[in-house]
Amino acid sequence: GENVEQHPSTLSVQEGDSAVIKCTYSDSASNYFPWYKQELGKRPQLIIDIRSNVGEKKDQRIAVTLNKTAKHFSLHITETQPEDSAVYFCAALGSGGSNYKLTFGKGTLLTVNP
Amino acid sequence: DSGVTQTPKHLITATGQRVTLRCSPRSGDLSVYWYQQSLDQGLQFLIQYYNGEERAKGNILERFSAQQFPDLHSELNLSSLELGDSALYFCASSPGGRALGYTFGSGTRLTVV
Repeated sequence: GENVEQHPSTLSVQEGDSAVIKCTYSDSASNYFPWYKQELGKRPQLIIDIRSNVGEKKDQRIAVTLNKTAKHFSLHITETQPEDSAVYFCAALGSGGSNYKLTFGKGTLLTVNP
Repeated sequence: DSGVTQTPKHLITATGQRVTLRCSPRSGDLSVYWYQQSLDQGLQFLIQYYNGEERAKGNILERFSAQQFPDLHSELNLSSLELGDSALYFCASSPGGRALGYTFGSGTRLTVV
């Protein structure tokens, strides 16, 4: 089945700096890659996603890039703010029999220091 | 409010007991997914139901079972509970059989003492 590795596990940045979180996946047929943000004690919420026919997608201060050849995708947050502090999860939608569920990375705890 | 409703929000029970967690998907969503979240394991997929039928199974223990009812709500049954079962249990729903447009509920925090 699909396996998703996420790095780093923790990331601390100063307010205004950029943050980058990277994920790799194992199933070359995976075709959908969402990112979720989870604040302490709350549910994961979708913040951005990308499909395999697109190399990059932006939404204001957030962008995601995908390299299908290398099987990795990244989340980029620019001009970070304290409210960006949360755990971020990447995920991949597998193919075939695992096409019905998302496989998640183990998460990155992002801390934005004022 | 995401539209996915989970009850109860918190549950404290003793080892060996049995509990039932409930999830109502967003209106119109046919798929329900159950995930377990513990500190060291991230979000672990347990099981998926689509329109009343089991569609995919993950690392779900034999002590755990689930079902989806005709009104599309789902229940996750956990029995012979152990301390290690303490975790957040999330339900998510999506419109179709594929996991696009996933929306999570607020979760049930289970504490086994």
